[in-house]
Amino acid sequence: GESVGLHLPTLSVQEGDNSIINCAYSNSASDYFIWYKQESGKGPQFIIDIRSNMDKRQGQRVTVLLNKTVKHLSLQIAATQPGDSAVYFCAENYYGNQFYFGTGTSLTVIP
Amino acid sequence: GAVVSQHPSWVICKSGTSVKIECRSLDFQATTMFWYRQFPKQSLMLMATSNEGSKATYEQGVEKDKFLINHASLTLSTLTVTSAHPEDSSFYICSAIGTSGSQETQYFGPGTRLLVL
Repeated sequence: GESVGLHLPTLSVQEGDNSIINCAYSNSASDYFIWYKQESGKGPQFIIDIRSNMDKRQGQRVTVLLNKTVKHLSLQIAATQPGDSAVYFCAENYYGNQFYFGTGTSLTVIP
Repeated sequence: GAVVSQHPSWVICKSGTSVKIECRSLDFQATTMFWYRQFPKQSLMLMATSNEGSKATYEQGVEKDKFLINHASLTLSTLTVTSAHPEDSSFYICSAIGTSGSQETQYFGPGTRLLVL
């Protein structure tokens, strides 16, 4: 089933620094993962995805790393900006088209 | 491309009434849509998968008779919260599988905030 978080972990970074957000997923059969960004009061916004046949994928200022051995995903944001402040979720897919969300991390960028 | 809308954005209702939330795929057809709920400072919880022309598939622990889902067309799914109570107050978000460029993935609506008094 899905992972339902309690209270969100938080991460604070200085503007311009790199951010690393971590996620532990639940199902070893998961073969597709997505990172989402959610701003307050809004729906999740797609950032980047990765399939299980890859261990790294890069986008614009973002990189996702996948370690299937320990069921771990990370999202790296380069040169973090105030507009990056949001809650970040990883989502895993292991059955049909359903996605199950991790706990989420609240990122605050300090100007 | 791949825009998903929801209506209404906000709804306040009295306890015991039913509330309908619409989810539309604006520029693509979606045979499958999903409904999530989210409590403050918590993650999204998948409630059900909405299948066009057939019954929805509910996640374990979600009451089918409480949360009625109808997916009557390829661009519209509705979630009706029946006999709403204060504990149903939440942020309800839908999503649909769509394609943007060459990428097919899940796109989310902006969410509907429900407050039951």
